[in-house]
Amino acid sequence: DAGVIQSPRHEVTEMGQEVTLRCKPISGHNSLFWYRQTMMRGLELLIYFNNNVPIDDSGMPEDRFSAKMPNASFSTLKIQPSEPRDSAVYFCASSFMSRVMTGTGDEQYFGPGTRLTVT
Amino acid sequence: SQQGEEDPQALSIQEGENATMNCSYKTSINNLQWYRQNSGRGLVHLILIRSNEREKHSGRLRVTLDTSKKSSSLLITASRAADTASYFCATRASGYSTLTFGKGTMLLVSP
Repeated sequence: DAGVIQSPRHEVTEMGQEVTLRCKPISGHNSLFWYRQTMMRGLELLIYFNNNVPIDDSGMPEDRFSAKMPNASFSTLKIQPSEPRDSAVYFCASSFMSRVMTGTGDEQYFGPGTRLTVT
Repeated sequence: SQQGEEDPQALSIQEGENATMNCSYKTSINNLQWYRQNSGRGLVHLILIRSNEREKHSGRLRVTLDTSKKSSSLLITASRAADTASYFCATRASGYSTLTFGKGTMLLVSP
């Protein structure tokens, strides 16, 4: 398997523009996570999908952020309009979470990230 | 906050030495995991230890967990320059499906 795939790897955009980040999870995984990493705040969970359904979006900063998972092999994170403070590295991760949370199969597999710069 | 806190924030050692990193957390957990992140890359899962386990080994890695103290340690033995990276602990709190990551320890191993 190629692992978690993210695109683009780098994105530079101007304030006010729409940004769309894309993720393809590992085939067979049923959970997908979007994270944001900055020096100041570390790694923050933005949203978590299980079986394509958003379960927890409490980490989404504000209405400018939205995420979708139309099928098991694709997810997007959209920022509209973008602001300079959105500059960060955005990671997508996937895992297989068993119905009974035994603590096994819980490890997450991260993509290479998208480095977003908003000027 | 459930967030794990790693200690130290940065660690610099010579090749061949052992590196020990610690993680403390605040709530009861289902499991604790350690991840590595090389500069400019995504995180890579290293090892998972469940709340009913006290110690686990994987190659040159040794993880301990003390649930009474709400702490864990990661020991890397016989370190190599290639071990240079940031190391993060992540906790799965009891009753939760997601992980909470600490801010990491930056390890520098000099040849």
